[in-house]
Amino acid sequence: ETGVTQTPRHLVMGMTNKKSLKCEQHLGHNAMYWYKQSAKKPLELMFVYNFKEQTENNSVPSRFSPECPNSSHLFLHLHTLQPEDSALYLCASRRRGGMNTGELFFGEGSRLTVL
Amino acid sequence: DQQVKQNSPSLSVQEGRISILNCDYTNSMFDYFLWYKKYPAEGPTFLISISSIKDKNEDGRFTVFLNKSAKHLSLHIVPSQPGDSAVYFCAASADTGGFKTIFGAGTRLFVKA
Repeated sequence: ETGVTQTPRHLVMGMTNKKSLKCEQHLGHNAMYWYKQSAKKPLELMFVYNFKEQTENNSVPSRFSPECPNSSHLFLHLHTLQPEDSALYLCASRRRGGMNTGELFFGEGSRLTVL
Repeated sequence: DQQVKQNSPSLSVQEGRISILNCDYTNSMFDYFLWYKKYPAEGPTFLISISSIKDKNEDGRFTVFLNKSAKHLSLHIVPSQPGDSAVYFCAASADTGGFKTIFGAGTRLFVKA
């Protein structure tokens, strides 16, 4: 248990559906991340939010839309996805500043399958 | 352009011996380097980190070495145990420029009993 909770753990959707992934942390962290892990590929950084402000968009297609309403919650809204978007989507958080070690705390991931 | 590289996709080691996992990076601006362990269908779990101002950090069976001139770091596990079998990711983190943490492709470690 890392203190970062992702829901749903598994999601199957059609290419015309709209769905959302949710991430929640109560660790007092102030930076939150979305990563994508596809088979046999490195973890790909998608978005970074720092104090609710997006500080990084790693050239992610607009069919992925992040939302960070507060420093404890992060969403990834999905619409008109493609089958190649099927992957494990990982949320992470970290503490900025002070005695931090750069450590990211990861959720268990949301396994997405696009049909 | 891959900023963090793990060139060995897999490593096989006998139980009780040392496992050495390697990682190279290209950006001198990283502040921290980290190692994560990952099992299938789970998120990565933090193992150990090192600040860019240090050259060694030890935690139990795990030691990370940083060679800044070579832009290289390594993770030593000794003695290796079968439970260490997993995928190990090297990561580099910057405290400026968006607080990015970039991961390598991972090395799958097999520890044989």
